[in-house]
Amino acid sequence: DQQVKQNSPSLSVQEGRISILNCDYTNSMFDYFLWYKKYPAEGPTFLISISSIKDKNEDGRFTVFLNKSAKHLSLHIVPSQPGDSAVYFCAALSLNSGGSNYKLTFGKGTLLTVN
Amino acid sequence: DTAVSQTPKYLVTQMGNDKSIKCEQNLGHDTMYWYKQDSKKFLKIMFSYNNKELIINETVPNRFSPKSPDKAHLNLHINSLELGDSAVYFCASSQYKFSYEQYFGPGTRLTVT
Repeated sequence: DQQVKQNSPSLSVQEGRISILNCDYTNSMFDYFLWYKKYPAEGPTFLISISSIKDKNEDGRFTVFLNKSAKHLSLHIVPSQPGDSAVYFCAALSLNSGGSNYKLTFGKGTLLTVN
Repeated sequence: DTAVSQTPKYLVTQMGNDKSIKCEQNLGHDTMYWYKQDSKKFLKIMFSYNNKELIINETVPNRFSPKSPDKAHLNLHINSLELGDSAVYFCASSQYKFSYEQYFGPGTRLTVT
């Protein structure tokens, strides 16, 4: 079952405009939500996170919004730059059933192209 | 200086063979992970070790066996390789088992023919 969903496989945005990447989730027990960025032939790198008790977190050009009632989060990139072209993974963190460690659940990713 | 490194980067092998992928991190982290990214692009956790102790063991065939000789290394051994094992395998580490930020290696693309 897909607990974290990124329904848009790709997004194309003009340089200087806003990029909005969306993510939906089904598990209300997730504690943190994260965005990872991945360039070709490299591993994902951590970008930004948000706690489940907050609704917004900002870091420079990147802002993540969380709507718990809708089980939806989004990543806004303003202004978008060509170097932002990458696959963006949404991920959610939860304690395992024994409460002894965290586990990350990833979405399928959205390919962002900025040109 | 690479934080999380994996060898080899590419691995092409035939069905039925046994192969290993090695991972090393020089970040001083306590926790290491193996993820599999399949053809559908899902990145799924397979195993996690914390200070050489197995803490996450997802539903993975027992042909896959992780080994952590010390907390800086986590290797993945795969026996009797099958076509469905073809994927990109990522190693990752985090400072503690409750850290949400994970650092990933570049991945190993395994192709089974």
